[in-house]
Amino acid sequence: DSGVTQTPKHLITATGQRVTLRCSPRSGDLSVYWYQQSLDQGLQFLIQYYNGEERAKGNILERFSAQQFPDLHSELNLSSLELGDSALYFCASGSGGDTGELFFGEGSRLTVL
Amino acid sequence: KNQVEQSPQSLIILEGKNCTLQCNYTVSPFSNLRWYKQDTGRGPVSLTIMTFSENTKSNGRYTATLDADTKQSSLHITASQLSDSASYICVVRRQTGANNLFFGTGTRLTVIP
Repeated sequence: DSGVTQTPKHLITATGQRVTLRCSPRSGDLSVYWYQQSLDQGLQFLIQYYNGEERAKGNILERFSAQQFPDLHSELNLSSLELGDSALYFCASGSGGDTGELFFGEGSRLTVL
Repeated sequence: KNQVEQSPQSLIILEGKNCTLQCNYTVSPFSNLRWYKQDTGRGPVSLTIMTFSENTKSNGRYTATLDADTKQSSLHITASQLSDSASYICVVRRQTGANNLFFGTGTRLTVIP
C-alpha cells in the first residue's frame, strides 16, 4: 500500500460528459502529480501541484484542469470527454526532496463510450 | 532535448533465466535515476535509485547499474520468477527546472513457466 488513495477506481461515462477524479496523497507529502496512461502506453505527465500551488505542467489538454486543496488532496477535472480520453489516470505524491521518489495510487480507470 | 529511451520494448523469458533491461538518457543536468516496476493495472513502485556517484546497487534479485559518462543505466534481473512479469520504467530526474522528471516508455517483461 503506497498510502496514496484514488477514487473512483473505475468510471464509465459518455462522450461530452465531465468527470472528477480525486486523490489523497501520502501523509506529509506536499507534492501531487497526475499522469495519464493509455492502453499499452507509457505514463504521460499532466500536471504537478506543490502545497496548493501549480508547480509544473505537462501535456495537459485545455479540457482538463486540476487543483490541490488546503488539506492537500487533489482533483483532476476532465470535461467534454472524447473516446481518446479513455485511460488509466494515476496520481502520485512525493515529499519534494532531492531523491524524488514518487508514490503512486492504484489509478482511476476511465472508459468513455 | 531531455529524453529517456528504454530497450527492448518487450521481452519474454523463461522462468529462472536472467535478463537485462536498458535505459539511455540525455537528461541534463542529471540528478538521479529510478527504476520502477509496474504490475498490469497497478501503480508503479520504486525498485531502486541511482545517483551520480553510484555505479551499482542491488535490491534482492534486481541489480541496477549506472554509467553517468555514457548516460546509460541497466536493470539486471536474476533467476526470474513469474511475479517479475511487469513493465519496468526508467525515470530520470533533472537537477533544475519545474518539470524535472523524465519517464521512459518502459520495457514489458513476461516470464513464462
